[in-house]
Amino acid sequence: KNEVEQSPQNLTAQEGEFITINCSYSVGISALHWLQQHPGGGIVSLFMLSSGKKKHGRLIATINIQEKHSSLHITASHPRDSAVYICAVPGATQGGSEKLVFGKGTKLTVNP
Amino acid sequence: KAGVTQTPRYLIKTRGQQVTLSCSPISGHRSVSWYQQTPGQGLQFLFEYFSETQRNKGNFPGRFSGRQFSNSRSEMNVSTLELGDSALYLCASSLVTGGTSGANVLTFGAGSRLTVL
Repeated sequence: KNEVEQSPQNLTAQEGEFITINCSYSVGISALHWLQQHPGGGIVSLFMLSSGKKKHGRLIATINIQEKHSSLHITASHPRDSAVYICAVPGATQGGSEKLVFGKGTKLTVNP
Repeated sequence: KAGVTQTPRYLIKTRGQQVTLSCSPISGHRSVSWYQQTPGQGLQFLFEYFSETQRNKGNFPGRFSGRQFSNSRSEMNVSTLELGDSALYLCASSLVTGGTSGANVLTFGAGSRLTVL
C-alpha cells in the first residue's frame, strides 16, 4: 500500500513569494498527480507527471522517481493561489484502475 | 464541453436513511471514480467503474455501493446512514487511454455535500 506524505501542512506567504510544497511516497509509481482544491470543494487537476518537470504558467511540478519525491512550486505567488494543494499517487496494481491514494493536503494562504 | 456534473450538490439526511448520488461524466469518458472527503480522513477512494464494471473498490463497508449505466453515468448509494458518513462526495471521470494504473488525468465534479443528522 502506498503511503503519501505532504509538507508543510499549512503555509502562509506574502504575495510575490516563491512557494514550494513537497510530496513523498513509499512505493514506486507510474504517475503522480497534483490537485488544487479551492474553498467550496471543487478539485482541479493541475499536473500528472511520471518523470522530470512540467510547467503551466506560474506553476512548476517536478518528480524524482528514484527518491520517490515530488515538488510543486509556485512562482510570484498571488492571493488567488490560496487553496489546498493535494498530491496523489496510484493505489492499485491492476491496469487502468483510477484508484488513487492522497496526501493530507497543504493549505496555502497568500496574503496581499 | 460540459464538465462532470454531480447531483444533488447539498443534501441533509437522518441516521438510518439511505442516499443516492449521481455523477454524469464528460462525454466520451468511460471511467468514473468516487471519493469521500472528510476533515479527519481527507480524500479516500471509494470505487471506480469502467464500462459498467467495478474495477476497484476502496476500504469501505458494504453500505457503500455504486453502479454505472451504459451511458457512463454513475450513481453511488449509501444505505443505513451513520453520522460519520457526513462528507463531501466527489466523482471524477477520465478518458482511459492505456492500461497503466492511475496514469490518466482526472476531471472532478463539484461534489455532493452530505450531512447526516
